[in-house]
Amino acid sequence: GQNIDQPTEMTATEGAIVQINCTYQTSGFNGLFWYQQHAGEAPTFLSYNVLDGLEEKGRFSSFLSRSKGYSYLLLKELQMKDSASYLCAVRDSSNYQLIWGAGTKLIIKP
Amino acid sequence: DGGITQSPKYLFRKEGQNVTLSCEQNLNHDAMYWYRQDPGQGLRLIYYSQIVNDFQKGDIAEGYSVSREKKESFPLTVTSAQKNPTAFYLCASSARQGVREQYFGPGTRLTVT
Repeated sequence: GQNIDQPTEMTATEGAIVQINCTYQTSGFNGLFWYQQHAGEAPTFLSYNVLDGLEEKGRFSSFLSRSKGYSYLLLKELQMKDSASYLCAVRDSSNYQLIWGAGTKLIIKP
Repeated sequence: DGGITQSPKYLFRKEGQNVTLSCEQNLNHDAMYWYRQDPGQGLRLIYYSQIVNDFQKGDIAEGYSVSREKKESFPLTVTSAQKNPTAFYLCASSARQGVREQYFGPGTRLTVT
């Protein structure tokens, strides 16, 4: 079957670093996406990985290991505005549709 | 400004009524999508369209219908056959299917009582 797993909720402190993990099992793989979604708003694109390794973009980095079916999103220098849900999605190579995880709600404390 | 618009933001309907949610994009994207988001679940694909006058069912198409008469517009009708229509509905678009990221509209929260 097809499955995306992420922790339901995480808590971190302002200024710290947090790593949000995502594991996946899909019939085909054609890239992994991370999106940020504030409550009641649209998801916004953060990162895209299709090859193994680390992609860095400012305070956010994303890592992919295709052999392990594993990705993580790393957020540095956390700010209160980073409080949001973070969605992991895998593109299935058989039909190019996205399979979505349920999201990780990140709570930032002062 | 280029983007995707959905209206209205909040919509209330009585059970048994059909309701149409609008989605318009001015990004010149070929592909458009409709998702449903429920608490504790990932986004689920309702319908998608790769080109004008063509669309395909997603994972949960029952009780929904769409049309794609113009490149910019992809309205979704929630029919009375949809058993649990109360949800947050998100429209998205991408340059082409399978190309990079999807861009999302602000969503419509539909409540049916």
